[in-house]
Amino acid sequence: TQLLEQSPQFLSIQEGENLTVYCNSSSVFSSLQWYRQEPGEGPVLLVTVVTGGEVKKLKRLTFQFGDARKDSSLHITAAQPGDTGLYLCAGVVAGNMLTFGGGTRLMVKP
Amino acid sequence: DTGVSQDPRHKITKRGQNVTFRCDPISEHNRLYWYRQTLGQGPEFLTYFQNEAQLEKSRLLSDRFSAERPKGSFSTLEIQRTEQGDSAMYLCASSLYGLAVEEQFFGPGTRLTVL
Repeated sequence: TQLLEQSPQFLSIQEGENLTVYCNSSSVFSSLQWYRQEPGEGPVLLVTVVTGGEVKKLKRLTFQFGDARKDSSLHITAAQPGDTGLYLCAGVVAGNMLTFGGGTRLMVKP
Repeated sequence: DTGVSQDPRHKITKRGQNVTFRCDPISEHNRLYWYRQTLGQGPEFLTYFQNEAQLEKSRLLSDRFSAERPKGSFSTLEIQRTEQGDSAMYLCASSLYGLAVEEQFFGPGTRLTVL
């Protein structure tokens, strides 16, 4: 059982649709990060959320940290083929060790 | 570009051989992390350094694995007597410890295939 559960695991949508990816845990994190990873490459940091209830926007991507700092969501508006990739959430636990979720693999079809 | 770099990007080896990977972190970063990622999974923590000191090792890191960061700059990860189960992407990340929020930045990874 992973400390961080991501859902859905796979998502295939048409260009222009909206989607939400969820990251849930029973643990409280001091901060939570979202990464995007393309095949054969390392994860690229998108955003870090720290405060419970915090909302951050990055163009068409909206990130929210749960009030209790146990969960987070990523919402993409009007998805584009360039959004295709593996989305990973990662929470910081004691000793600054990042714990990753299993990832959500997103495919946006033109 | 002064991001995290890793070498080689790909390594194919036969079972039983030793392999060594190198990671060069962002120059001012004092922490360096190694992760392993298998297909369809998120990265799993292996070990990390603060400057030259190795502060934590995961239970995933068997005796065949050893990591060093001798001068607190680049790091190497060696796998001895490789097994097919070692096939994975090995990722390195670095961060600047001491900021209010520590963020890790990843390299492109080394893809290891053990035949």
